[in-house]
Amino acid sequence: GENVEQHPSTLSVQEGDSAVIKCTYSDSASNYFPWYKQELGKGPQLIIDIRSNVGEKKDQRIAVTLNKTAKHFSLHITETQPEDSAVYFCAASKGGSYIPTFGRGTSLIVHP
Amino acid sequence: DSGVTQTPKHLITATGQRVTLRCSPRSGDLSVYWYQQSLDQGLQFLIQYYNGEERAKGNILERFSAQQFPDLHSELNLSSLELGDSALYFCASSTSTSGSSYEQYFGPGTRLTVT
Repeated sequence: GENVEQHPSTLSVQEGDSAVIKCTYSDSASNYFPWYKQELGKGPQLIIDIRSNVGEKKDQRIAVTLNKTAKHFSLHITETQPEDSAVYFCAASKGGSYIPTFGRGTSLIVHP
Repeated sequence: DSGVTQTPKHLITATGQRVTLRCSPRSGDLSVYWYQQSLDQGLQFLIQYYNGEERAKGNILERFSAQQFPDLHSELNLSSLELGDSALYFCASSTSTSGSSYEQYFGPGTRLTVT
């Protein structure tokens, strides 16, 4: 089955810095890659996603890039703010049921 | 707020007991997914229902079962509980006309503690 590796497990940045979280996947058939943000005591919230026919997608301060050849994708957050502090999960899924396989999560801490 | 509701928010029970977790999907969503989140296993898919029928199965134990009712709410039943079943249980829903959909929206979760 699919295996998703996510790094780093913890990321500490100063407010205003950029943050990058990287994931790799194993199944070349995976074609949908969502990113979720989970705040303390809440469920994961979909923040951005990318499909395999696209190399990059941007939404305000967040962007995701996908390299299908290397089977890795990344989340980029610019101008980080304290409210960006949370656990971020990447996931990979493929057509059929689109059941995601999640990475282990990255705890992002933004210091004011 | 995702529009997905889950009850109860917290549940404390003893080993060997049985509990039922409830989920109401977003209005109009036909698919419901159940996930277990623990520190050692991360976020694991358990089972999916689409319009009342089981659609996909993941790492769900035989002691666990689920169903989706005609009003589309879903229940996850956990029986013969063990200490290792302590975890956060999430429900997610998605809009789909065929049972396959990209975006999933998660509820706030139920924290189960087995003592």
